[in-house]
Amino acid sequence: DQQVKQNSPSLSVQEGRISILNCDYTNSMFDYFLWYKKYPAEGPTFLISISSIKDKNEDGRFTVFLNKSAKHLSLHIVPSQPGDSAVYFCAASAPSNTGKLIFGQGTTLQVKP
Amino acid sequence: NAGVTQTPKFQVLKTGQSMTLQCAQDMNHEYMSWYRQDPGMGLRLIHYSVGAGITDQGEVPNGYNVSRSTTEDFPLRLLSAAPSQTSVYFCASSTQLWGATNTEAFFGQGTRLTVV
Repeated sequence: DQQVKQNSPSLSVQEGRISILNCDYTNSMFDYFLWYKKYPAEGPTFLISISSIKDKNEDGRFTVFLNKSAKHLSLHIVPSQPGDSAVYFCAASAPSNTGKLIFGQGTTLQVKP
Repeated sequence: NAGVTQTPKFQVLKTGQSMTLQCAQDMNHEYMSWYRQDPGMGLRLIHYSVGAGITDQGEVPNGYNVSRSTTEDFPLRLLSAAPSQTSVYFCASSTQLWGATNTEAFFGQGTRLTVV
């Protein structure tokens, strides 16, 4: 039972345009969400997070939106750059799962020059 | 700072062999965890620890053992390797609190394990 789902395995956008990566979750107890970026042969690195008390968090070119009623979050990258090409994972945690992060399957983003 | 260090980076095992994947962190983090990454499956939690002497199971614990004798180290043991354990393994560490603050997990670079 996949509690965190990224239904798009891949996404291709042109440099300078907006990239939108989506993530859905099923567990209403999740209250903290994170996005990680992963380059080949490297470990995931933290990108941005959002608490369930907010609906938006922004950090430079990266913005995460949370829609709790729809159990949906999205990561917007504006403008997209070729260096953003990587696999993006969303992850979620809940107070009852102290220490546990549940990850989605990942979306491979390709930004074309 | 070294952060989270995993060794080895690559390993090939024969079915039935045992081995230990090492993980060490120098950030004095209480929480450490092991994940495996498989195509189409994302990262799945194997075991985790909320402090020295305390471990618990994640989503896919079968076939793996862990121990946490020190804050710094969290080794993952495969007692009898199986082809289904072919994967990329990541160790992560973080501060203990989840959800209340901007907590993030720091990952090692991974161990690519092949069981033949």
